[in-house]
Amino acid sequence: EDQVTQSPEALRLQEGESSSLNCSYTVSGLRGLFWYRQDPGKGPEFLFTLYSAGEEKEKERLKATLTKKESFLHITAPKPEDSATYLCAVQGSRLTFGEGTQLTVNP
Amino acid sequence: DAGVTQSPTHLIKTRGQQVTLRCSPKSGHDTVSWYQQALGQGPQFIFQYYEEEERQRGNFPDRFSGHQFPNYSSELNVNALLLGDSALYLCASSSLGALSYEQYFGPGTRLTVT
Repeated sequence: EDQVTQSPEALRLQEGESSSLNCSYTVSGLRGLFWYRQDPGKGPEFLFTLYSAGEEKEKERLKATLTKKESFLHITAPKPEDSATYLCAVQGSRLTFGEGTQLTVNP
Repeated sequence: DAGVTQSPTHLIKTRGQQVTLRCSPKSGHDTVSWYQQALGQGPQFIFQYYEEEERQRGNFPDRFSGHQFPNYSSELNVNALLLGDSALYLCASSSLGALSYEQYFGPGTRLTVT
């Protein structure tokens, strides 16, 4: 059975303090790894797709990387508006999500 | 270009009742998946519809059923509601023919069972 584990569960940063979120996975036949951002009470918002080890994607202050067993979401100089829950998901036979990392960025 | 839409936004039901949730996919998408998200957890896959048929199903009881219409929109039905069915129900659309497997989510329907 496909599994996704995200860490830490919660992360509190000061504005401008860079950090990384981790997503460890086991999947039978990886067809893609996805990062989503979710604001409270709303649907997940698509951020990135990664397909193979060594691949990297960037968008503003976010950079996602992928290895054979995990993915990282690096946040550089975060701002308060980056506060949200970040979800990692893997596409094997179906899309399987982790529990998410709740990020809070204080001004 | 309209994204994925869901209705209603919120719903309050009593134990034992039945509920129907609706979803319209993003323009150009032909596949709809449904997820249940309990508070503080990641979304859990319920089932996926393509060409008006259920393609895959997660570990949910038969009380959860669905339907897809010729215009690709979809419904999720839940019978004999339990308190534990209270959750955010998410619809996601995708294109089966695309190689990306990317799914785009709607805003969700918040179901409260009392």
